[in-house]
Amino acid sequence: SQQGEEDPQALSIQEGENATMNCSYKTSINNLQWYRQNSGRGLVHLILIRSNEREKHSGRLRVTLDTSKKSSSLLITASRAADTASYFCATVRGGSNYKLTFGKGTLLTVNP
Amino acid sequence: EAQVTQNPRYLITVTGKKLTVTCSQNMNHEYMSWYRQDPGLGLRQIYYSMNVEVTDKGDVPEGYKVSRKEKRNFPLILESPSPNQTSLYFCASSFKGAHQPQHFGDGTRLSIL
Repeated sequence: SQQGEEDPQALSIQEGENATMNCSYKTSINNLQWYRQNSGRGLVHLILIRSNEREKHSGRLRVTLDTSKKSSSLLITASRAADTASYFCATVRGGSNYKLTFGKGTLLTVNP
Repeated sequence: EAQVTQNPRYLITVTGKKLTVTCSQNMNHEYMSWYRQDPGLGLRQIYYSMNVEVTDKGDVPEGYKVSRKEKRNFPLILESPSPNQTSLYFCASSFKGAHQPQHFGDGTRLSIL
């Protein structure tokens, strides 16, 4: 089963607007990570939130985690054209530190 | 510069011809892993390694082999490639495991004809 499903699949906004992407997962987790991928390139780690944390900030990024709903959201504030990329959530299932499961991603397009 | 290096970046080959994709990291990481990325399916983990001589299967290991003889290298071997292994492959590493931020290579695009 898919662990980590992003929503929406694609999002198009104007520069300066905020972008929110959601991730749902099915099993208990140790932590949840968000990655960015520019077209055809390697993934870049953005932020990690542990299962006992509810919110985390890094620059223009804000991540929330609701373990009761098994969901997380990534908010990018004041978006820029350079934020255009695919965004993936990834989860490490409880009980294992070695298997990382990615969602299918959200393609964010920020129009100048 | 800290990096994960994959080679080759692009390869077109034919069914059944053995190939190896190399992955090397210069960060002294213990944990390394391989993923394939296919349209509509996201990234799926093929194999991972917790340290030298310790490897285990991910979610899609069929048709692949790996080895970890040195800490810095984690090659992916396709002994008899088939067209369904046409994909974009990524190697990643971290200090101890998947629970830590992963450093990714730039990817290897394989086409099996």
